[in-house]
Amino acid sequence: SQQGEEDPQALSIQEGENATMNCSYKTSINNLQWYRQNSGRGLVHLILIRSNEREKHSGRLRVTLDTSKKSSSLLITASRAADTASYFCATGGSNTGKLIFGQGTTLQVKP
Amino acid sequence: GAVVSQHPSRVICKSGTSVKIECRSLDFQATTMFWYRQFPKQSLMLMATSNEGSKATYEQGVEKDKFLINHASLTLSTLTVTSAHPEDSSFYICSATKGQDGSPLHFGNGTRLTVT
Repeated sequence: SQQGEEDPQALSIQEGENATMNCSYKTSINNLQWYRQNSGRGLVHLILIRSNEREKHSGRLRVTLDTSKKSSSLLITASRAADTASYFCATGGSNTGKLIFGQGTTLQVKP
Repeated sequence: GAVVSQHPSRVICKSGTSVKIECRSLDFQATTMFWYRQFPKQSLMLMATSNEGSKATYEQGVEKDKFLINHASLTLSTLTVTSAHPEDSSFYICSATKGQDGSPLHFGNGTRLTVT
């Protein structure tokens, strides 16, 4: 079953603006990961944050994790048209490597 | 970086036929592979976990006789959609992990299956 819920479902912004996507989950986790999917393609791993971490950065990406609220956010700063894609959060709670994906946010960055 | 190759990228088949999709990890040994299904504009739904040398573990509601998974080596897992029907039309994506807890998944580029 899908455990992550993301909002907004769709987001449209102008190039240069920041984009924030939120993810909520239901059960306890070991880590939370964010992935990106271009239309009709596989997913690309963006960033992983462990349950004992609160914030993580990677280039223009900033991820926060609040385990008390069971939520995470992904911030993309200074967005580019090439950032247009769907973004999914995924949670892992065991040692199997199994991930459960959220519903995703479709981001459109207009040039 | 780790590369996962999935083949074919697109397949069209007639109702009642079977289709095999291959997922290969090209530069690492994948002890575990996962098969997902994705409907248009929806998220990925985990179908099954494929472990090398053992039977796959299917998620609730996924018919194991319908979706046959074989993970015969550390670099190859196959998904066979048997007796395909139009409702099986979907985007199937495989992913692989090196088996460490919390390791990112490496995804194939997916297979678009259309059953006519």
